[in-house]
Amino acid sequence: NAGVTQTPKFQVLKTGQSMTLQCAQDMNHNSMYWYRQDPGMGLRLIYYSASEGTTDKGEVPNGYNVSRLNKREFSLRLESAAPSQTSVYFCASSERAGGEDFGEGSWLTVV
Amino acid sequence: GENVEQHPSTLSVQEGDSAVIKCTYSDSASNYFPWYKQELGKRPQLIIDIRSNVGEKKDQRIAVTLNKTAKHFSLHITETQPEDSAVYFCAARTRNNNDMRFGAGTRLTVKP
Repeated sequence: NAGVTQTPKFQVLKTGQSMTLQCAQDMNHNSMYWYRQDPGMGLRLIYYSASEGTTDKGEVPNGYNVSRLNKREFSLRLESAAPSQTSVYFCASSERAGGEDFGEGSWLTVV
Repeated sequence: GENVEQHPSTLSVQEGDSAVIKCTYSDSASNYFPWYKQELGKRPQLIIDIRSNVGEKKDQRIAVTLNKTAKHFSLHITETQPEDSAVYFCAARTRNNNDMRFGAGTRLTVKP
């Protein structure tokens, strides 16, 4: 049981480049989330998906898009990366009524 | 939307002492309140949670209390140990959606 796995773990992008962060969970959870974590600001929700086929904006969605590919997979895309998107990104999943299981994080630097 | 505030931002205690971290929330529809522990460079991990129909919950050295009227909840760690040193986050989720909001975190240091 791998839990939540996300790739890549580290990535350096140039301003304007695009990339997709991949996330998969094997716990049969309905809900999946993407957060970013910046120093001193805790975790901020970018997008979430309450169930397969649905996605909703969170607190800081600008500059990002998501795809809930199936029940297991939820990807985050940066279409045109900006230095302000330098952050640690965490994917998570949960049952609706429970706490979230987090992936190990993806460290993204935009230069 | 929901707004969660967390205090203090840093907390230093002697080994064996108790530590208390407090959070307030703004949305009275919030009904689920988890606490996470995050060690340096690692993922946040759920350590305890409480729902709005309960006032207190305890798990060994960790307890959480909830005051719905005042819209605040607290994490209590007793008999602290150096391995309790980490950043702790509170969070709140409302009944009608899956939008979890986190506090800014408390860096707890337990001195041996």
